[in-house]
Amino acid sequence: DIQMTQSPSTLSASVGDRVTITCRAGQSISSWLAWYQQKPGKAPRLLIYKASSLESGVSSRFSGSGSGTEFTLTISSLQPDDFATYYCQQYNGYPYTFGQGTKLEIK
Amino acid sequence: QVHLVESGGGVVQPGRSLRLSCAASGFTFSRYAMHWVRQAPGKGLEWVAVISYDGSDKYYADSVKGRFTISRHNSKNTLYLQMSSLRAEDTAVYYCARVAWEYDFHSTFDLWGQGTVVTVSS
Repeated sequence: DIQMTQSPSTLSASVGDRVTITCRAGQSISSWLAWYQQKPGKAPRLLIYKASSLESGVSSRFSGSGSGTEFTLTISSLQPDDFATYYCQQYNGYPYTFGQGTKLEIK
Repeated sequence: QVHLVESGGGVVQPGRSLRLSCAASGFTFSRYAMHWVRQAPGKGLEWVAVISYDGSDKYYADSVKGRFTISRHNSKNTLYLQMSSLRAEDTAVYYCARVAWEYDFHSTFDLWGQGTVVTVSS
């Protein structure tokens, strides 16, 4: 199985900050990586697919980059609605695996 | 509007069985592979199983292989997860999710249900 490791596990930031979350894969997954946002009690929401493609309807403040084993999700100019937990997911092959999550908190 | 609605969750004793359903609407269900993903209380997301658009291909997480069976009824626009020999560690919110592109078996998830809660406890 491909292990996905996110860092940091928790991130404290302020409205207007620029933040970056990192996701590392245990082996190369090319660009088959997605990022999701999840709020308490809600289902995850797709933000980024294929490492850097923005899902329709998602704010352009979200961007993704990387390939192979190292990936990043960047949120420029944090808004109050962005405080949530973020997960990366590889879909290079089964079993699909998720990172452990990064909780973005208000400083 | 496109929707996925899960049902069938509840409290069940260890070793017993439960069947979850996921009703799809607003899109051509028979063209999309479908997944089950679960989330234990306070924990992260865990992929559980996938079924191809026509039901011919299925994969499972090792943690549920041999105990869970994914299936679908395309004429009823419904996805199922038959869970047997349930364990305490199967306690979770179970989500069904649709892949992003028609006929694609390797794809991310662009549509999720609201989840159904399964609690395994004596």
